[in-house]
Amino acid sequence: EVQLVESGGGLVQPGGSLRLSCAASGFTFSNSWMTWVRQAPGKGLEWVANIRPDGGEKSYVDSVKGRFTISRDNAKSSLFLQMNSLRAEDTAVYYCARDPHYSALDYWGQGTLVTVSS
Amino acid sequence: DVVMTQSPLSLPVTLGQPASISCRSSQSLVYSNGNTYLHWFQQRPGQSPRRLIYEVSNRDSGVPDRFSGSGSGTDFTLKISRVEAEDVGVYYCMAAAHGIPSFGGGTKVEIK
Repeated sequence: EVQLVESGGGLVQPGGSLRLSCAASGFTFSNSWMTWVRQAPGKGLEWVANIRPDGGEKSYVDSVKGRFTISRDNAKSSLFLQMNSLRAEDTAVYYCARDPHYSALDYWGQGTLVTVSS
Repeated sequence: DVVMTQSPLSLPVTLGQPASISCRSSQSLVYSNGNTYLHWFQQRPGQSPRRLIYEVSNRDSGVPDRFSGSGSGTDFTLKISRVEAEDVGVYYCMAAAHGIPSFGGGTKVEIK
C-alpha cells in the first residue's frame, strides 16, 4: 500500500524557516517524480515544486523561487521542502504527492499545516 | 504558464441528477507528443485530494463509472451522471506539460 506521510509543519514567524518532510513507502521511491502542493486556508490547490527521481531536475512556482528548496533522500525514501524567508501568504497545508507522469498526481499524503504569523 | 478557469464556482445538485463541470485553459493542452495532460481531482470535506481522472478521460481504479471526463484542446468537462451524497466536495482540474503545472480554482459540488 502506497503511503505518504508529511511532517514538520508548525507555527513560524515571518522571515523564519521550516523544513517539511515526506516519508514514502509502498512503491519504488527512487524511480518516482515527487511534488509538493499547498492549499491556503479555505482556498484552492497550488502546485509548489517537483523533483526528478535522481534529484537532478527541480522546478518551482514563481512565488517560492529563491526561498524554497525541494530535495530528496532516495536511500531513506524521503522528500523534503526547505522553506526560508517565510511570509504570511505561505500559510497553508502542504501536501506531498507522487507524480507518475506529467503531474497526474496519483497518491497524496494527509498534509502538514504551516502557519506563518507573528 | 497556462491559466485554468473552472465553472461554475458552486454547483448545487439534487441527488440522482447529473452534474457537469467545465474547465478551460488559456492555451491548448495538446503536448508535442500528441497527448493531453489534463487531470481531475476530487477533495471531499476534510480530506486530501484524490485523483479521479487522468489525461482527459482515463478513470482511476475504484472511481465509480458515473464519473467521466471529456474534451480537447482548451475545453474540458467532468460529468457525474447521477450525483450521490458521497460526491460532495470540491473538484479541481489540473494542466501539465506547458511550463509550471496549474490547477483550476475549483468547483464546489453540494446537495440541494
